[in-house]
Amino acid sequence: LAKTTQPISMDSYEGQEVNITCSHNNIATNDYITWYQQFPSQGPRFIIQGYKTKVTNEVASLFIPADRKSSTLSLPRVSLSDTAVYYCLVGDGRGAGTYKYIFGTGTRLKVLA
Amino acid sequence: DVKVTQSSRYLVKRTGEKVFLECVQDMDHENMFWYRQDPGLGLRLIYFSYDVKMKEKGDIPEGYSVSREKKERFSLILESASTNQTSMYLCASSLRQGAYEQYFGPGTRLTVT
Repeated sequence: LAKTTQPISMDSYEGQEVNITCSHNNIATNDYITWYQQFPSQGPRFIIQGYKTKVTNEVASLFIPADRKSSTLSLPRVSLSDTAVYYCLVGDGRGAGTYKYIFGTGTRLKVLA
Repeated sequence: DVKVTQSSRYLVKRTGEKVFLECVQDMDHENMFWYRQDPGLGLRLIYFSYDVKMKEKGDIPEGYSVSREKKERFSLILESASTNQTSMYLCASSLRQGAYEQYFGPGTRLTVT
């Protein structure tokens, strides 16, 4: 079964680039990797998804190496409002039985002024 | 914009009561999910559904059941609530199966006394 590992917490200053890595072995070979942001007392919010190499949207970039054993969420020039918990989501569709959805343990990002 | 709504933000129930948590999405998504989120344990999948009247067990289905009679509505049922089911419950929907982008509701904080 696939497992995920994320750093528990990170601190950064406003204006810096932040990179959060999720390590995930044995994930489904033909599935996306997605990332979410969660503020206190709210549901997670989708940020970005990718399958391989690099994906960029208006808020973040996602880097996925060829072996797909990790993914790195990159937040350019963070602001105080980016203080949140960030989760990766991967899947494991291998083997018998139903598909498995596996959320990362979450990384608490604190942005300092 | 995808909208996922949950019937209550806060709910207090007594041990042994039958509890219904309702979730509605307005984007015609095939897939719907119920998670619970607890401090230190992250997001854990209870059940998911990929079609009307279809359901699949997630990682922690014990003590819960679900119902999906209409495409837009997915209900989580606690047959006999217990104190260890005190948690934040999050509903999500997705256009595709797999670790594809999921859209979450605001959550229901359930307290069982």
